[in-house]
Amino acid sequence: QQQVKQSPQSLIVQKGGISIINCAYENTAFDYFPWYQQFPGKGPALLIAIRPDVSEKKEGRFTISFNKSAKQFSLHIMDSQPGDSATYFCAASTSTGGFKTIFGAGTRLFVKA
Amino acid sequence: NAGVMQNPRHLVRRRGQEARLRCSPMKGHSHVYWYRQLPEEGLKFMVYLQKENIIDESGMPKERFSAEFPKEGPSILRIQQVVRGDSAAYFCASSPLSQGTGGSNEKLFFGSGTQLSVL
Repeated sequence: QQQVKQSPQSLIVQKGGISIINCAYENTAFDYFPWYQQFPGKGPALLIAIRPDVSEKKEGRFTISFNKSAKQFSLHIMDSQPGDSATYFCAASTSTGGFKTIFGAGTRLFVKA
Repeated sequence: NAGVMQNPRHLVRRRGQEARLRCSPMKGHSHVYWYRQLPEEGLKFMVYLQKENIIDESGMPKERFSAEFPKEGPSILRIQQVVRGDSAAYFCASSPLSQGTGGSNEKLFFGSGTQLSVL
């Protein structure tokens, strides 16, 4: 019920290409869906987040697509750059009766120059 | 404005010893969360604390692990009698407000983590 499933585990994209990472959740009480970016040796940092009242959110080259009925959401990185190479985590939390942010297993992205 | 500070960055312990991990939240943040990260895995929630209170420790092993966040000083995650399976990166995060209070889902600010290695 609390799980967030993320795929793929790893991803290699050519510079300038689109990186797509998918996540699925089970708990319909989740109402906040952030994506975190983590570089080696560093803690995760919030990249972009969405609430289920919208189907898409865009910030620069990063877009979250959200499908409430399918309980799925995805991160799209347009014009991927070598500097985007990092591990990306989707996550979910609920504003009612909970405060734990539940993380997916992560996707290791490598953007080839 | 300093971020979340964790120390030490690396900690090596022999089996049976105690490990003490420290976390100073961002200035103005009174909510601290501890997560454990194993290689090739996501972040696993361990415990959520406010000043002098443990709010949720449902992710923390019942034995050997404890956490505190005193009125003064950093939050401490303590692991007694460490075993090799405790080897992991331990991350602390802080937020200014409790996630779960009327829809105010504040983002988490993470420290750089403590890498615990048990020999």
